[in-house]
Amino acid sequence: GAVVSQHPSRVICKSGTSVKIECRSLDFQATTMFWYRQFPKQSLMLMATSNEGSKATYEQGVEKDKFLINHASLTLSTLTVTSAHPEDSSFYICSATRQGEKLFFGSGTQLSVL
Amino acid sequence: QKEVEQNSGPLSVPEGAIASLNCTYSDRGSQSFFWYRQYSGKSPELIMSIYSNGDKEDGRFTAQLNKASQYVSLLIRDSQPSDSATYLCAVGGGGFKTIFGAGTRLFVKA
Repeated sequence: GAVVSQHPSRVICKSGTSVKIECRSLDFQATTMFWYRQFPKQSLMLMATSNEGSKATYEQGVEKDKFLINHASLTLSTLTVTSAHPEDSSFYICSATRQGEKLFFGSGTQLSVL
Repeated sequence: QKEVEQNSGPLSVPEGAIASLNCTYSDRGSQSFFWYRQYSGKSPELIMSIYSNGDKEDGRFTAQLNKASQYVSLLIRDSQPSDSATYLCAVGGGGFKTIFGAGTRLFVKA
């Protein structure tokens, strides 16, 4: 199966700092990547859809100026949480798809903002 | 608003029994249906996908789809303690957006 690599797996940062999370498709070109957030014991909540070379499409209620998404190539998308606050602490997961096939998930990033 | 509904559980079954997980969806135009397993603190992993009405079997897992009733289910035969996890039902439309249910927590008692 396809492999999606996500880094870092865990990050602890101080309030007000920015954190960048990388998502790479290792053995295929991902036409579309998705970013999700998951709070404890809750389901995946789609934050944004990222297409290579174009602006990300954000879901309602997600601040695009706070959660910056860059999809610079067919194998790399990044999510930057700007000026992070404790309420941004969550499990962030990326996924990738090629031509509308099933989703392949990264391993997730646990963000803790102190 | 497109929705995917699941019973949050927990569903508790003894080892060796059949676990039955259910899911309903609201968008009649949905074309792709998936079951993911998620262990605590980990990202989801795909265990079954189904695209047409009927049953699809893969090892101990059987997915069932009924588009007329907008219903999809997952059966796990010979349940093992290692099957204890949260199972997410996911539904995709003609585009690429996939909608996830809240998940059903399954406990398999040894």
